[in-house]
Amino acid sequence: NAGVTQTPKFQVLKTGQSMTLQCAQDMNHEYMSWYRQDPGMGLRLIHYSVGAGITDQGEVPNGYNVSRSTTEDFPLRLLSAAPSQTSVYFCASSYGWGIGVTEAFFGQGTRLTVV
Amino acid sequence: GQQVMQIPQYQHVQEGEDFTTYCNSSTTLSNIQWYKQRPGGHPVFLIQLVKSGEVKKQKRLTFQFGEAKKNSSLHITATQTTDVGTYFCLMTGGGNKLTFGTGTQLKVEL
Repeated sequence: NAGVTQTPKFQVLKTGQSMTLQCAQDMNHEYMSWYRQDPGMGLRLIHYSVGAGITDQGEVPNGYNVSRSTTEDFPLRLLSAAPSQTSVYFCASSYGWGIGVTEAFFGQGTRLTVV
Repeated sequence: GQQVMQIPQYQHVQEGEDFTTYCNSSTTLSNIQWYKQRPGGHPVFLIQLVKSGEVKKQKRLTFQFGEAKKNSSLHITATQTTDVGTYFCLMTGGGNKLTFGTGTQLKVEL
């Protein structure tokens, strides 16, 4: 049982490049989310999904796109990377959300540097 | 929208001292979760509190949910070097957005 798998673990991009951060979970969780973590800022929600075909914006969605074509996968796309997007990105999944929220499982993280 | 304040931002303690971090919400919560993130690692679930005034213990860790369900605390008794890390609260108000507190970074010195 792999849990939540994120790839890649490290990435360096040049300003203006695009890329996709991959996230996959094998726990049949409906709720998946992406966070970015910056020093002193905690974990900020970028986008989330409550099931296949359903996505919504979090606190800091600008510059990022997501899609949820399957229950298992929730990729995060950076359309045109900017130095302000240098951060550590975490994908998380959980069985429940809202009032029925349950334990969230996190991936190992992707350390992204935009130069 | 829901705002989550977590204090303090940093805490340095000597091994054996106690430690407490607090989360405060501007709105009434459905429940609260606590997570620990070791340096260089990812957040790991510790516990979930649901009921008003609820208190739960895990060995040296004590978690409390306020009577009004607007605040919570995590208390560690007699800290050890293994307690080093950042502690986050995750507060849910029943909506779909799961909002983390800003975290408290704990450093334990021998």
